[in-house]
Amino acid sequence: DTAVSQTPKYLVTQMGNDKSIKCEQNLGHDTMYWYKQDSKKFLKIMFSYNNKELIINETVPNRFSPKSPDKAHLNLHINSLELGDSAVYFCASTQRGDAYEQYFGPGTRLTVT
Amino acid sequence: AQSVTQLDSHVSVSEGTPVLLRCNYSSSYSPSLFWYVQHPNKGLQLLLKYTSAATLVKGINGFEAEFKKSETSFHLTKPSAHMSDAAEYFCVVSDRGANTGKLIFGQGTTLQVKP
Repeated sequence: DTAVSQTPKYLVTQMGNDKSIKCEQNLGHDTMYWYKQDSKKFLKIMFSYNNKELIINETVPNRFSPKSPDKAHLNLHINSLELGDSAVYFCASTQRGDAYEQYFGPGTRLTVT
Repeated sequence: AQSVTQLDSHVSVSEGTPVLLRCNYSSSYSPSLFWYVQHPNKGLQLLLKYTSAATLVKGINGFEAEFKKSETSFHLTKPSAHMSDAAEYFCVVSDRGANTGKLIFGQGTTLQVKP
């Protein structure tokens, strides 16, 4: 069974469109994250939810809006897509505690044309 | 504030020779440190973690890392490289002070393994 899954795996869209990426985890974790990996493979945290409460909101354009319907799901909605949004987006989850070991999804490659 | 510096952006070794990937960290708190691996077009997989227990940490696939507080280092090693080890490796520190589990990634080291 896949622990952290993301859909879709690939997403190609035009500038100005609105799109969503979905993430689900079946590990029973209480905290989920979105990361962005740029073309140089650098990974940066975007958002985090703990039990449906937003706990991390980095300096991300407000075109990006996370939504957590329950603690097993964390979706990412992006409005008015721009060329610079092209990247790989990773979802991750953890059980809040001392180690904060995170489990990552397979990633969603977003290409904006 | 926490930060991580991976000292080499690219490391090339021959199959069967040792691997050393270097990482220095900066942390205001006793850190949790991780090494993650990313194979081409794949997600990230945890190799090993340090959480203030034993300073020599053993991970999967024969990898080890040693936490050296005096040197603020957490270098990753493997005695003998395999072709399948070719991947991107990330040294990561957890921002324990914020109690959010926020991970701060190094810039990554690309490991090339030559036959």
